[in-house]
Order: sequence, then C-alpha cells, then structure tokens
Amino acid sequence: EAQVTQNPRYLITVTGKKLTVTCSQNMNHEYMSWYRQDPGLGLRQIYYSMNVEVTDKGDVPEGYKVSRKEKRNFPLILESPSPNQTSLYFCASRGQSTYEQYFGPGTRLTVT
Amino acid sequence: AQRVTQPEKLLSVFKGAPVELKCNYSYSGSPELFWYVQYSRQRLQLLLRHISRESIKGFTADLNKGETSFHLKKPFAQEEDSAMYYCALMNSGYSTLTFGKGTMLLVSP
Repeated sequence: EAQVTQNPRYLITVTGKKLTVTCSQNMNHEYMSWYRQDPGLGLRQIYYSMNVEVTDKGDVPEGYKVSRKEKRNFPLILESPSPNQTSLYFCASRGQSTYEQYFGPGTRLTVT
Repeated sequence: AQRVTQPEKLLSVFKGAPVELKCNYSYSGSPELFWYVQYSRQRLQLLLRHISRESIKGFTADLNKGETSFHLKKPFAQEEDSAMYYCALMNSGYSTLTFGKGTMLLVSP
C-alpha cells in the first residue's frame, strides 16, 4: 500500500531533550516536506526536500533540522525542543511530475 | 510572497443547504490551486485541483483570476462533509505549498 508513515505518533518530552521524528514513504517520491499544524494558523511548512541531499527552508524553520540521505526517509530533528514547538506535525511527499501531496498521519508533540 | 486567505474559521450549515467556502490568494505568477480536506482524526487528503475542473464528492471550485479567488462550493451539504478544509497554493517551481488557515465546516442534521 502506497503510504507515508511517521513515528512516533505521539510524543511528550521536556525542554532541551533532543528528539527525532521519522518520516518514510514507499512511493519513490522525490519531494518531501514537513509541516506543523496549529489552531488558528493552519499548516505551515518547516522544511522541504526536492531530492536526496537537497533540502531548503520553508516558512518556519527555526529550531528544526532535517536531512535527506535516502530518498524514502526525511527525518525531522529538534536539537533543543522548546514549549513553543508543541504542535501537530505532518510529513508529506510528492512525485516530481505529479501535483498531489500525500500526507502522513501526523505526530502530536508536546514539549513541557 | 504568496499568500492564501480563508476568511471564515467556521462555517455551520444544515444538511441539504448550499455551501461555499471562501478562498482568496495572492501570487505574482500563474497559480496552481488546490483544496485539501481533513476529516476528524484522519490525515489531509487532496479534494480537488483547479486545473482538473472535476467535481469530487459533489464539490467544485472555480479559479477566478480577476478576483484572485478559488471558492469551494457544494449545492447540497451532507453530514459526512463535516471536516476541516484547506485552500492551498503551489508556487511555479513546485517547491512550496502554502496553505490557508483552514475553515471548519459543520453540517448539522
């Protein structure tokens, strides 16, 4: 089944403790991205990647890092999480010649 | 800079009533516009794209370049249409998808 998976689905952590949210897609998509969803703000793009080893900042990249060492994986790294990063995070992927983005199920992160 | 505006946070209608979810955009190039839907506890999924000009689940959306709008319409709302709807704009480089803040549609019986 074609899909985008994220792990973990739920995470509660403390300020400053490094964490990684994984994202994987099995559709051989070139394009992957991360969004955060906050009430009243909708979805905002954090980072995106056009292909392996090619990443770029989205609208709200501060406090986040990403890497794209393999085509299928696009992890989101929070080196020193803060409470304002408490949010619902979505990973998405898209083929180079297609327009539809496929979204993962979301990761709900709480930073205390 | 590209921007998508959805002026209504919440739209509440009765079953069978017409629905129009508003979306306005700001973009200097030729826009690619989409509507995404998020049902309760589900992931976002594409509802429709302006170029395809097709009707999905009874919804249609017409791109009006003069008014820079891409409103989503359905003549008769159903309870199962209750969801969060996001209008989104893709830039000409196909690298960035900018979302509006979303409109929650509630359809009451």
